[in-house]
Amino acid sequence: GAVVSQHPSWVICKSGTSVKIECRSLDFQATTMFWYRQFPKQSLMLMATSNEGSKATYEQGVEKDKFLINHASLTLSTLTVTSAHPEDSSFYICSATAVTNTGELFFGEGSRLTVL
Amino acid sequence: AQSVTQPDIHITVSEGASLELRCNYSYGATPYLFWYVQSPGQGLQLLLKYFSGDTLVQGIKGFEAEFKRSQSSFNLRKPSVHWSDAAEYFCAHNSGNTPLVFGKGTRLSVIA
Repeated sequence: GAVVSQHPSWVICKSGTSVKIECRSLDFQATTMFWYRQFPKQSLMLMATSNEGSKATYEQGVEKDKFLINHASLTLSTLTVTSAHPEDSSFYICSATAVTNTGELFFGEGSRLTVL
Repeated sequence: AQSVTQPDIHITVSEGASLELRCNYSYGATPYLFWYVQSPGQGLQLLLKYFSGDTLVQGIKGFEAEFKRSQSSFNLRKPSVHWSDAAEYFCAHNSGNTPLVFGKGTRLSVIA
């Protein structure tokens, strides 16, 4: 099956620093990638939709200047949490749809961010 | 707006007993439906999916789900639960190349 890889899987940073999370589709080209956020014991909430070569579309309530998303190629999307604060600590998960678009989303393993 | 409802927040079953996790969706047309499982601190693993055709779909780990249009449901079942099935289960749907809409999840505990 299609594989989506996220890196890093775990990151701890100081408050005020920026953290970049990468999401790669390893064996397929992803036209669209979605970034989700999951708080402990809660469901996944969509943050933004990113299409290769264009600006990301953010969900209501998600600060685009704080959560910078770049989708520069068909196999890589990055999420940068700028000036991170403790309330940004969460589990971030990316998913991707293939160019062939079977309707299925393939999920990365997730990245756990802890801001001290 | 599209939504997914998982009525049960937490279910406890005995090992070897049967399991059914409920899922209802709201969407006008036939949605694409999915069940995912998530172990603590882990990402999501796809158990099964329904796009069209046979309404009873088989998944991994002995799970199956049945799409019932009349009830807008896509319940997940397993005839005999194993202790390793303890996890969080998410039902989700989309309409093609759109983001998945997730239910709030059902936490499954398995007791001896």
